[in-house]
Amino acid sequence: DTGVSQDPRHKITKRGQNVTFRCDPISEHNRLYWYRQTLGQGPEFLTYFQNEAQLEKSRLLSDRFSAERPKGSFSTLEIQRTEQGDSAMYLCASSFRGGDTEAFFGQGTRLTVV
Amino acid sequence: GDSVTQMEGPVTLSEEAFLTINCTYTATGYPSLFWYVQYPGEGLQLLLKATKADDKGSNKGFEATYRKETTSFHLEKGSVQVSDSAVYFCALSLTQGGSEKLVFGKGTKLTVNP
Repeated sequence: DTGVSQDPRHKITKRGQNVTFRCDPISEHNRLYWYRQTLGQGPEFLTYFQNEAQLEKSRLLSDRFSAERPKGSFSTLEIQRTEQGDSAMYLCASSFRGGDTEAFFGQGTRLTVV
Repeated sequence: GDSVTQMEGPVTLSEEAFLTINCTYTATGYPSLFWYVQYPGEGLQLLLKATKADDKGSNKGFEATYRKETTSFHLEKGSVQVSDSAVYFCALSLTQGGSEKLVFGKGTKLTVNP
Protein backbone atom coordinates (compact mmCIF):
# COMPACT_ATOMS: atom_id res chain seq x y z
CA ASP A 1 0.00 0.00 0.00
CA THR A 2 1.41 3.36 -0.97
CA GLY A 3 -0.57 5.46 1.48
CA VAL A 4 -3.35 7.96 0.90
CA SER A 5 -3.60 9.01 -2.72
CA GLN A 6 -5.26 12.16 -4.03
CA ASP A 7 -6.07 13.13 -7.58
CA PRO A 8 -5.49 15.51 -9.21
CA ARG A 9 -2.54 17.12 -7.47
CA HIS A 10 -3.28 20.49 -9.02
CA LYS A 11 -6.43 21.96 -10.52
CA ILE A 12 -6.94 25.37 -12.09
CA THR A 13 -10.52 26.27 -12.86
CA LYS A 14 -12.52 29.31 -13.86
CA ARG A 15 -14.90 30.86 -11.39
CA GLY A 16 -18.33 29.29 -11.66
CA GLN A 17 -17.13 25.90 -12.87
CA ASN A 18 -17.61 22.66 -10.95
CA VAL A 19 -14.64 20.58 -9.81
CA THR A 20 -14.33 17.11 -8.32
CA PHE A 21 -11.43 15.67 -6.35
CA ARG A 22 -10.77 12.05 -5.52
CA CYS A 23 -9.18 10.46 -2.47
CA ASP A 24 -8.09 6.84 -2.15
CA PRO A 25 -7.42 6.00 1.50
CA ILE A 26 -5.20 3.28 2.88
CA SER A 27 -7.11 0.12 2.03
CA GLU A 28 -7.93 -1.18 5.51
CA HIS A 29 -8.87 2.25 6.88
CA ASN A 30 -12.55 2.74 7.59
CA ARG A 31 -12.38 6.43 8.49
CA LEU A 32 -11.83 9.17 5.96
CA TYR A 33 -11.50 12.90 6.53
CA TRP A 34 -11.39 15.96 4.30
CA TYR A 35 -9.58 19.12 5.37
CA ARG A 36 -8.93 22.45 3.70
CA GLN A 37 -5.71 24.40 4.11
CA THR A 38 -5.28 28.00 2.98
CA LEU A 39 -1.96 29.80 2.73
CA GLY A 40 -0.37 30.42 6.10
CA GLN A 41 -3.01 28.48 7.99
CA GLY A 42 -3.29 25.03 9.42
CA PRO A 43 -5.69 22.49 7.93
CA GLU A 44 -9.35 22.96 8.84
CA PHE A 45 -11.77 20.06 9.18
CA LEU A 46 -14.46 19.81 6.51
CA THR A 47 -16.13 16.42 6.82
CA TYR A 48 -15.71 12.85 8.02
CA PHE A 49 -16.84 9.39 6.90
CA GLN A 50 -16.92 6.12 8.72
CA ASN A 51 -17.21 3.50 6.01
CA GLU A 52 -19.80 4.94 3.61
CA ALA A 53 -21.63 7.06 6.17
CA GLN A 54 -20.92 10.77 6.33
CA LEU A 55 -21.10 11.37 10.07
CA GLU A 56 -20.05 14.97 10.48
CA LYS A 57 -19.84 18.12 8.40
CA SER A 58 -18.22 21.40 9.35
CA ARG A 59 -20.03 24.70 9.04
CA LEU A 60 -17.24 25.54 6.59
CA LEU A 61 -18.85 23.12 4.16
CA SER A 62 -21.35 25.30 2.30
CA ASP A 63 -24.16 23.95 0.16
CA ARG A 64 -21.86 24.14 -2.85
CA PHE A 65 -19.69 21.40 -1.37
CA SER A 66 -20.64 17.75 -1.40
CA ALA A 67 -18.65 14.69 -0.45
CA GLU A 68 -19.37 11.03 -1.02
CA ARG A 69 -17.84 7.71 -0.18
CA PRO A 70 -20.17 5.36 -1.99
CA LYS A 71 -18.67 1.97 -1.19
CA GLY A 72 -16.71 2.88 1.87
CA SER A 73 -13.49 2.98 -0.09
CA PHE A 74 -12.53 6.01 -2.18
CA SER A 75 -14.16 9.39 -1.65
CA THR A 76 -14.95 12.35 -3.85
CA LEU A 77 -15.29 16.01 -2.93
CA GLU A 78 -17.21 18.17 -5.38
CA ILE A 79 -17.37 21.94 -5.36
CA GLN A 80 -20.09 23.49 -7.47
CA ARG A 81 -20.00 27.04 -8.87
CA THR A 82 -16.47 27.62 -7.61
CA GLU A 83 -15.53 30.99 -6.14
CA GLN A 84 -12.10 32.56 -5.74
CA GLY A 85 -12.36 32.00 -2.01
CA ASP A 86 -12.37 28.25 -2.65
CA SER A 87 -8.73 28.42 -3.72
CA ALA A 88 -6.89 26.24 -1.21
CA MET A 89 -5.18 22.91 -0.67
CA TYR A 90 -7.71 20.14 -0.08
CA LEU A 91 -6.33 17.37 2.09
CA CYS A 92 -7.63 13.87 2.62
CA ALA A 93 -6.72 11.70 5.58
CA SER A 94 -7.63 8.20 6.67
CA SER A 95 -7.44 6.20 9.86
CA PHE A 96 -8.60 2.92 11.30
CA ARG A 97 -11.13 2.83 14.07
CA GLY A 98 -10.21 0.36 16.74
CA GLY A 99 -6.51 0.67 16.21
CA ASP A 100 -4.05 3.47 16.57
CA THR A 101 -5.92 6.67 15.88
CA GLU A 102 -3.12 8.15 13.81
CA ALA A 103 -4.44 9.84 10.71
CA PHE A 104 -2.41 9.45 7.52
CA PHE A 105 -2.59 12.33 5.07
CA GLY A 106 -2.40 12.48 1.32
CA GLN A 107 -0.35 15.09 -0.49
CA GLY A 108 -3.41 17.15 -1.24
CA THR A 109 -5.08 18.72 -4.24
CA ARG A 110 -4.22 22.36 -4.80
CA LEU A 111 -7.18 24.23 -6.27
CA THR A 112 -6.77 27.62 -7.92
CA VAL A 113 -9.91 29.44 -8.98
CA VAL A 114 -9.25 32.21 -11.51
CA GLY B 1 -14.43 26.19 20.97
CA ASP B 2 -11.40 23.95 20.83
CA SER B 3 -8.29 25.64 19.49
CA VAL B 4 -4.53 25.45 19.20
CA THR B 5 -2.14 28.38 19.34
CA GLN B 6 1.41 27.90 18.27
CA MET B 7 4.44 30.09 17.99
CA GLU B 8 4.49 32.32 14.96
CA GLY B 9 7.26 31.76 12.52
CA PRO B 10 9.32 31.69 10.59
CA VAL B 11 12.09 30.32 12.75
CA THR B 12 15.63 30.27 11.38
CA LEU B 13 18.37 28.36 13.18
CA SER B 14 21.87 27.21 12.53
CA GLU B 15 22.63 23.51 12.41
CA GLU B 16 23.06 21.93 15.86
CA ALA B 17 21.09 24.70 17.57
CA PHE B 18 18.39 23.97 20.14
CA LEU B 19 14.80 24.17 18.95
CA THR B 20 11.65 25.04 20.86
CA ILE B 21 8.30 25.63 19.19
CA ASN B 22 5.62 26.62 21.66
CA CYS B 23 2.09 25.23 21.50
CA THR B 24 -0.84 25.83 23.82
CA TYR B 25 -4.37 24.55 23.52
CA THR B 26 -7.92 25.17 24.63
CA ALA B 27 -10.25 22.20 24.84
CA THR B 28 -13.46 21.32 26.64
CA GLY B 29 -12.46 17.72 27.30
CA TYR B 30 -9.26 15.70 27.46
CA PRO B 31 -7.64 15.87 24.07
CA SER B 32 -4.89 13.86 22.51
CA LEU B 33 -2.07 16.10 21.30
CA PHE B 34 0.01 15.80 18.17
CA TRP B 35 2.83 17.36 16.24
CA TYR B 36 2.67 16.96 12.48
CA VAL B 37 5.44 17.92 10.07
CA GLN B 38 5.17 18.93 6.43
CA TYR B 39 8.38 18.71 4.43
CA PRO B 40 8.56 20.70 1.19
CA GLY B 41 6.43 19.08 -1.50
CA GLU B 42 5.14 16.35 0.80
CA GLY B 43 1.99 15.61 2.78
CA LEU B 44 1.52 16.00 6.50
CA GLN B 45 3.25 13.32 8.56
CA LEU B 46 2.73 12.52 12.19
CA LEU B 47 5.90 13.38 14.11
CA LEU B 48 4.83 12.47 17.64
CA LYS B 49 1.82 12.31 19.91
CA ALA B 50 0.71 12.11 23.53
CA THR B 51 -2.67 10.92 24.69
CA LYS B 52 -2.78 11.87 28.36
CA ALA B 53 -1.31 14.31 30.85
CA ASP B 54 2.42 13.97 31.56
CA ASP B 55 2.94 11.67 28.57
CA LYS B 56 6.02 12.45 26.53
CA GLY B 57 5.97 11.86 22.81
CA SER B 58 9.27 11.44 21.01
CA ASN B 59 10.52 10.67 17.53
CA LYS B 60 13.62 11.47 15.44
CA GLY B 61 15.17 13.40 18.33
CA PHE B 62 12.07 15.57 18.82
CA GLU B 63 10.18 15.54 22.12
CA ALA B 64 7.04 17.10 23.53
CA THR B 65 5.41 16.64 26.95
CA TYR B 66 1.64 16.93 27.54
CA ARG B 67 1.29 19.51 30.31
CA LYS B 68 -2.28 19.70 31.50
CA GLU B 69 -1.59 22.37 34.13
CA THR B 70 -0.27 24.79 31.52
CA THR B 71 -2.32 23.36 28.61
CA SER B 72 0.86 23.13 26.59
CA PHE B 73 2.67 20.71 24.29
CA HIS B 74 5.91 22.43 23.31
CA LEU B 75 8.11 20.78 20.69
CA GLU B 76 11.85 20.54 21.40
CA LYS B 77 14.95 19.17 19.77
CA GLY B 78 18.41 19.40 21.18
CA SER B 79 20.35 19.68 17.93
CA VAL B 80 18.60 20.48 14.67
CA GLN B 81 19.78 19.41 11.23
CA VAL B 82 19.29 20.96 7.82
CA SER B 83 16.94 18.08 7.02
CA ASP B 84 14.58 19.26 9.80
CA SER B 85 13.62 22.28 7.68
CA ALA B 86 9.85 22.00 7.33
CA VAL B 87 6.56 23.38 8.59
CA TYR B 88 5.49 22.04 11.99
CA PHE B 89 1.85 21.88 13.07
CA CYS B 90 0.57 21.34 16.58
CA ALA B 91 -2.85 19.69 16.72
CA LEU B 92 -5.39 18.26 19.12
CA SER B 93 -7.99 15.58 18.75
CA LEU B 94 -11.15 15.10 20.77
CA THR B 95 -13.31 12.07 20.32
CA GLN B 96 -16.81 13.42 19.81
CA GLY B 97 -19.50 11.15 18.47
CA GLY B 98 -16.88 8.77 17.18
CA SER B 99 -15.09 11.42 15.14
CA GLU B 100 -11.46 12.07 15.96
CA LYS B 101 -11.06 15.14 13.84
CA LEU B 102 -7.94 17.18 14.29
CA VAL B 103 -7.82 20.86 15.18
CA PHE B 104 -4.57 22.40 13.96
CA GLY B 105 -2.53 25.44 14.81
CA LYS B 106 -1.39 27.74 12.02
CA GLY B 107 1.98 26.09 11.62
CA THR B 108 5.55 27.22 12.23
CA LYS B 109 8.04 27.23 9.39
CA LEU B 110 11.52 26.15 10.45
CA THR B 111 14.59 26.77 8.33
CA VAL B 112 17.90 25.27 9.43
CA ASN B 113 21.03 26.67 7.81
CA PRO B 114 24.30 24.74 7.51
